[in-house]
Amino acid sequence: EAQVTQNPRYLITVTGKKLTVTCSQNMNHEYMSWYRQDPGLGLRQIYYSMNVEVTDKGDVPEGYKVSRKEKRNFPLILESPSPNQTSLYFCASSLSMQGTETQYFGPGTRLLVL
Amino acid sequence: AQSVTQPDIHITVSEGASLELRCNYSYGATPYLFWYVQSPGQGLQLLLKYFSGDTLVQGIKGFEAEFKRSQSSFNLRKPSVHWSDAAEYFCAVGGTNTGNQFYFGTGTSLTVIP
Repeated sequence: EAQVTQNPRYLITVTGKKLTVTCSQNMNHEYMSWYRQDPGLGLRQIYYSMNVEVTDKGDVPEGYKVSRKEKRNFPLILESPSPNQTSLYFCASSLSMQGTETQYFGPGTRLLVL
Repeated sequence: AQSVTQPDIHITVSEGASLELRCNYSYGATPYLFWYVQSPGQGLQLLLKYFSGDTLVQGIKGFEAEFKRSQSSFNLRKPSVHWSDAAEYFCAVGGTNTGNQFYFGTGTSLTVIP
């Protein structure tokens, strides 16, 4: 089954404790992206990747890191989480960045930073 | 800067009634336009998308959207709403025309009254 998976689905952590949220897709997609969703703000793009070893900042990259060492994986790293990073995070992928391609979203990771 | 505006935070309609959700975008050229639906606790699913050509686009679940260049709008419509349509709806712009980034509106929450 074609899908985007994220782990963990739920995470409670404390300020300053490094964490990684994994994202994996099995569709051989080139484009992958991370979003955060906050009430009243919709989804905002954190980082995106056009292909392996190619990443770029979205609208809200501060406090986050990403890497794309393999085509299928695009982990989101919070080196020193803070309470304002409490949010619902979505990973997405598409075949390419052409507008005709559909973005497929993962199920989301709900993060609480105390 | 690119922006997407969904002026209606919340809409309530009766089952069987028609629906129109508004979306306006701010962009110098015609971007690629998308509507996504998010059911409670779920990820986002693409309803439809527009790149060029016919300004009336048909999507899944009986939804359609009309692109109006003069109004910078891309409103979503459905002739007869079902209870299962209750969800959050997001308009988005993205693709190569927006520097490889995606921009989402703040969403419209739809309640369907039996």
